[in-house]
Amino acid sequence: GAGVSQSPSNKVTEKGKDVELRCDPISGHTALYWYRQRLGQGLEFLIYFQGNSAPDKSGLPSDRFSAERTGESVSTLTIQRTQQEDSAVYLCASSLGPGTSGSPEQFFGPGTRLTVL
Amino acid sequence: SQQGEEDPQALSIQEGENATMNCSYKTSINNLQWYRQNSGRGLVHLILIRSNEREKHSGRLRVTLDTSKKSSSLLITASRAADTASYFCAHNSGGSNYKLTFGKGTLLTVNP
Repeated sequence: GAGVSQSPSNKVTEKGKDVELRCDPISGHTALYWYRQRLGQGLEFLIYFQGNSAPDKSGLPSDRFSAERTGESVSTLTIQRTQQEDSAVYLCASSLGPGTSGSPEQFFGPGTRLTVL
Repeated sequence: SQQGEEDPQALSIQEGENATMNCSYKTSINNLQWYRQNSGRGLVHLILIRSNEREKHSGRLRVTLDTSKKSSSLLITASRAADTASYFCAHNSGGSNYKLTFGKGTLLTVNP
């Protein structure tokens, strides 16, 4: 079946503009995650959605960042008034819901490379 | 920071050789996972080892876990040029059963 898809694959924007990144998870995956990866670094957790529960937004770096998810489908990550330090690859992942033995395997999309000029 | 640490940061070997990467973490875990990333884009899940397991195999991959030392290792045997990628370990953080903390990764280069 289809994997996780993200769009756009690349986005170049000017400082101060808003951007919206999209993620289509694997059908049937109740959990969805957003991560940020700066050049040469590991992944930073941003936000987690699980079914209809309140999302865990603890990783969002500032109030310029927000994300939404409708049910168990598409999610959008919005960055308002972009800054140069927002330049990174934004990765989305989906998985089955968490079990009792820790995080399940996460399936990643190809990412969106954001460049803020 | 609860971020895991991989070492080495970079590893360069010849095709056919074995590659060993290590990962350390600071918190108690339910499981530990290894992922591969090609060309700075999407990650691919390689293997998951639970906290009550000590060793796990998958094809040419062998993962060990030592919870007393809070460390794990990933061994790739008989490496191939196609194994060239960054490898990350990830584990639960802060008692969460869903939030993964990723290390900074090991960049493996396999020379043909």
